[in-house]
Amino acid sequence: DTGVSQDPRHKITKRGQNVTFRCDPISEHNRLYWYRQTLGQGPEFLTYFQNEAQLEKSRLLSDRFSAERPKGSFSTLEIQRTEQGDSAMYLCASSLDGSLTEAFFGQGTRLTVV
Amino acid sequence: GQQVMQIPQYQHVQEGEDFTTYCNSSTTLSNIQWYKQRPGGHPVFLIQLVKSGEVKKQKRLTFQFGEAKKNSSLHITATQTTDVGTYFCAGPLGSARQLTFGSGTQLTVLP
Repeated sequence: DTGVSQDPRHKITKRGQNVTFRCDPISEHNRLYWYRQTLGQGPEFLTYFQNEAQLEKSRLLSDRFSAERPKGSFSTLEIQRTEQGDSAMYLCASSLDGSLTEAFFGQGTRLTVV
Repeated sequence: GQQVMQIPQYQHVQEGEDFTTYCNSSTTLSNIQWYKQRPGGHPVFLIQLVKSGEVKKQKRLTFQFGEAKKNSSLHITATQTTDVGTYFCAGPLGSARQLTFGSGTQLTVLP
């Protein structure tokens, strides 16, 4: 399977714990995006990378969130000191270029903070 | 703030009826993309429109981009149960290099 893969698919954590998600984009794609989606809403942009450089972060992204893309391949999204409001589906997407080409989404990581 | 809006939020149709969802942006878009998300699934790209007034068709689906490049629509003719899902429009607002998604239209097709 050469699509975007995310791990884990589901994560249940206690409030205050740290969690880390991984995304493996399509190999030739240089752009990688993280989105968050809650029930009944469209994906909400969090951050994106051009190769290994993190070029933009949403103002909605609190300092508890950090993302990396070492070597421009896979990416990780870490949430520190999780809160119940962090419960959502975290989607990763990749594309060959920026907003002028289609984004391929992974199946997401569903986070539940209890 | 800048945003992308979609209506209606929900639409129930009888199988065989037509369906239309509308997308409006607060700013001019360089392009607009449409995605479909099946229940429990992830967004899947359908199409991209770039030119003012552009119309594209994919079988029973017709996509339009407004003359001012601030609105778009997706029309499905003779819906089928396989059309069930949420349809999102998305576009780069201003000089953004990432997509802003609308809130989607959830389509239910009754057999």
